[in-house]
Amino acid sequence: EAGVAQSPRYKIIEKRQSVAFWCNPISGHATLYWYQQILGQGPKLLIQFQNNGVVDDSQLPKDRFSAERLKGVDSTLKIQPAKLEDSAVYLCASSARPEGATDTQYFGPGTRLTVL
Amino acid sequence: QKEVEQDPGPLSVPEGAIVSLNCTYSNSAFQYFMWYRQYSRKGPELLMYTYSSGNKEDGRFTAQVDKSSKYISLFIRDSQPSDSATYLCAMSPNSGGYQKVTFGTGTKLQVIP
Repeated sequence: EAGVAQSPRYKIIEKRQSVAFWCNPISGHATLYWYQQILGQGPKLLIQFQNNGVVDDSQLPKDRFSAERLKGVDSTLKIQPAKLEDSAVYLCASSARPEGATDTQYFGPGTRLTVL
Repeated sequence: QKEVEQDPGPLSVPEGAIVSLNCTYSNSAFQYFMWYRQYSRKGPELLMYTYSSGNKEDGRFTAQVDKSSKYISLFIRDSQPSDSATYLCAMSPNSGGYQKVTFGTGTKLQVIP
């Protein structure tokens, strides 16, 4: 079974530029998550999709971050404009059922973003 | 106060040692407790999960939950260099429907051959 795919793996941009990350979850997984992991911290949930609907985006900085999951499969996360404090690893995860925590979340390798 | 507190380490132990990793939490609604392992430059992977209080064993790993003290532990017996990673505790309020998983900051473990 193929894992969660993310691209790019690394991205360096200057502040105020835009950037987009892509995630392809495990085939058939209904739930998709985007997390932000700042160096030395645990992952923080940004947004959770169930199929192509948003379940929770309470911690997504909506003035600069946006995400979509078209057709309930792939997802993109965009930052526009980027700030220095957005430097982090952006992790995508997926799970098979919508029940949440007891359903294993499978993480991708992440995209490491550096904002200069 | 953070909802989940975890000593960031680093924790350095010799091969074969017993390792104890711990987290405390403040939200009494948490009922599901998980441990993730994260190797450098990789995403986290689920090691174990437990429900409510009690112990759960899986090979060299044992997870303990003490809800009365709001304290969870992960023990690693006969630690190996391949166990060198960051260990993240995570927890969630309930089992049904949607819920948000809250992660600790992670403890970096190094097992020295």
